[in-house]
Amino acid sequence: DAKTTQPTSMDCAEGRAANLPCNHSTISGNEYVYWYRQIHSQGPQYIIHGLKNNETNEMASLIITEDRKSSTLILPHATLRDTAVYYCIASKAAGNKLTFGGGTRVLVKP
Amino acid sequence: DVKVTQSSRYLVKRTGEKVFLECVQDMDHENMFWYRQDPGLGLRLIYFSYDVKMKEKGDIPEGYSVSREKKERFSLILESASTNQTSMYLCASSLLGLAGDNEQFFGPGTRLTVL
Repeated sequence: DAKTTQPTSMDCAEGRAANLPCNHSTISGNEYVYWYRQIHSQGPQYIIHGLKNNETNEMASLIITEDRKSSTLILPHATLRDTAVYYCIASKAAGNKLTFGGGTRVLVKP
Repeated sequence: DVKVTQSSRYLVKRTGEKVFLECVQDMDHENMFWYRQDPGLGLRLIYFSYDVKMKEKGDIPEGYSVSREKKERFSLILESASTNQTSMYLCASSLLGLAGDNEQFFGPGTRLTVL
């Protein structure tokens, strides 16, 4: 799996959009970008994934650059419950093992 | 909704004890995984299984074994617990798929302390 690089931490104001960057410059053509988050004392939770196109679901949007070397997870209206560690992962298939790096610790402030 | 349950949220054992961590999923998933999570080291894969009675080593299998006798159940076994196995253990499951559409669903975790 390609290595991903994320900022260690970031703060976000409640009600504002949170934009979480991820760099995956060595991603191969058949690797997907997955995002998971882990709220304190819970197991990781799947958010979204994509291959080439931008994706949106009820939780978030995923913007992947045309060269696929980076992506951004967007939480459109952050709430206090979005405070968590967010992991960006590049993998050929979720059925395979996922390699979790350090993630970005997001703190949503009132 | 997919549900992955783990037998205990908290567990305290003594050095040398044999420890069983149980994981059950209710969505007929082929794949099941055991990870451990430690501060500063993130999640690391211990073992995974893509079918009944099948198992594959992950990144840190030493000191652990697994058992998968039924599709819905995946057990992690610490043959002789040691203090360096104190950790949060997370189980996950997913459909078997060669494409990227199958996300992993995680259980709540078992925090194991070995004294």
